[in-house]
Amino acid sequence: DAGVIQSPRHEVTEMGQEVTLRCKPISGHNSLFWYRQTMMRGLELLIYFNNNVPIDDSGMPEDRFSAKMPNASFSTLKIQPSEPRDSAVYFCASSPRRTGHSMNTEAFFGQGTRLTVV
Amino acid sequence: AQKVTQAQTEISVVEKEDVTLDCVYETRDTTYYLFWYKQPPSGELVFLIRRNSFDEQNEISGRYSWNFQKSTSSFNFTITASQVVDSAVYFCALSENPGTASKLTFGTGTRLQVTL
Repeated sequence: DAGVIQSPRHEVTEMGQEVTLRCKPISGHNSLFWYRQTMMRGLELLIYFNNNVPIDDSGMPEDRFSAKMPNASFSTLKIQPSEPRDSAVYFCASSPRRTGHSMNTEAFFGQGTRLTVV
Repeated sequence: AQKVTQAQTEISVVEKEDVTLDCVYETRDTTYYLFWYKQPPSGELVFLIRRNSFDEQNEISGRYSWNFQKSTSSFNFTITASQVVDSAVYFCALSENPGTASKLTFGTGTRLQVTL
């Protein structure tokens, strides 16, 4: 079974350009998360979706960031316009539907997209 | 607000030594989940273990073991007989709101370097 798939793996762009990061969650998972990892701030949650609906976007740093999940198998994180301080590794993760007494499950992470804005 | 503290920024050991990575957490919830993830040099995040707040039993998986103590709000991770392949950054994480998704708060990570 394929894991969480992110594309591209690396992205280098110039300041001011639009950047779109893509994520395909594990089939059957109903929750999707976007995290950002930087040296200064570590791993921080940007936004998460449950059943394709955004539940909490309080971690989205600015209006320049937006995320969508048009269907259960695809999500995008867009930065427009990009700035050098957006340089980071962006992770997408998904977790399965809880079943029975399992109230919470682990998140499975993609390999990340390393974004460099110059 | 929830918080995870990994006070050890970096640890270096020689192969075959035992090493313990510390994790201390803060939460107001009585129901929560704790996790450990491994991030090897290749960059991906690999899930290692999940533990809920009602289960304080220690767990062992091969050379890995975890010690959960609610009294001290700690969830420490021990690697026995460390190997070079264990070199990675290890993250402890906390999740509240069990009725919703696994929204994780991560610690800052501990970089483990195992040398020959």
